Amino acid sequence: DVKVTQSSRYLVKRTGEKVFLECVQDMDHENMFWYRQDPGLGLRLIYFSYDVKMKEKGDIPEGYSVSREKKERFSLILESASTNQTSMYLCASKIRGGWGTEAFFGQGTRLTVV
Amino acid sequence: QKEVEQNSGPLSVPEGAIASLNCTYSDRGSQSFFWYRQYSGKSPELIMFIYSNGDKEDGRFTAQLNKASQYVSLLIRDSQPSDSATYLCAFQGAQKLVFGQGTRLTINP
Repeated sequence: DVKVTQSSRYLVKRTGEKVFLECVQDMDHENMFWYRQDPGLGLRLIYFSYDVKMKEKGDIPEGYSVSREKKERFSLILESASTNQTSMYLCASKIRGGWGTEAFFGQGTRLTVV
Repeated sequence: QKEVEQNSGPLSVPEGAIASLNCTYSDRGSQSFFWYRQYSGKSPELIMFIYSNGDKEDGRFTAQLNKASQYVSLLIRDSQPSDSATYLCAFQGAQKLVFGQGTRLTINP
């Protein structure tokens, strides 16, 4: 059974804190993604990675960074959390390339910045 | 211009009718197109993918792709209350996977 696991389901952080969101997949997928989901805006791509230590900016990378030191783990870092980063964060992984290959999602982390 | 645009919702359809969901995309290099379904409080799950022009059918679902018009759609026949969810279209270009804003669909019994 395929699995993408995010470290926390709910998280409350203070403004200015450094926040780490962790994602682990057990499918040996090359590609991993971080999205945020806000009402009416769908899933917006923050960063993605297609290999260990490789990363690419998505559509809204400002205020975020990522780390991929091992193939199975992709971390999203909020360098200095702000209230406008309150959102649902979703991690996904998929096999590289391949037409029609499915992306598998974690359960999501609802982050509230106060 | 947004990379993926979906028809604005919410969309309400009577049970047993056909629900039609539409999506346009701007990247002509896109290779694969996907429809995901997301129930409230849950993560998205894949319904269908399509990469060739034309129609692709899977049970009550039909995906349609028109690359010349940069248009992809999803038809749900014989709509059921269990089809009530948010539907997200997505495209894959190179290694990137980009989603639209989603359309909330409600099937009324």
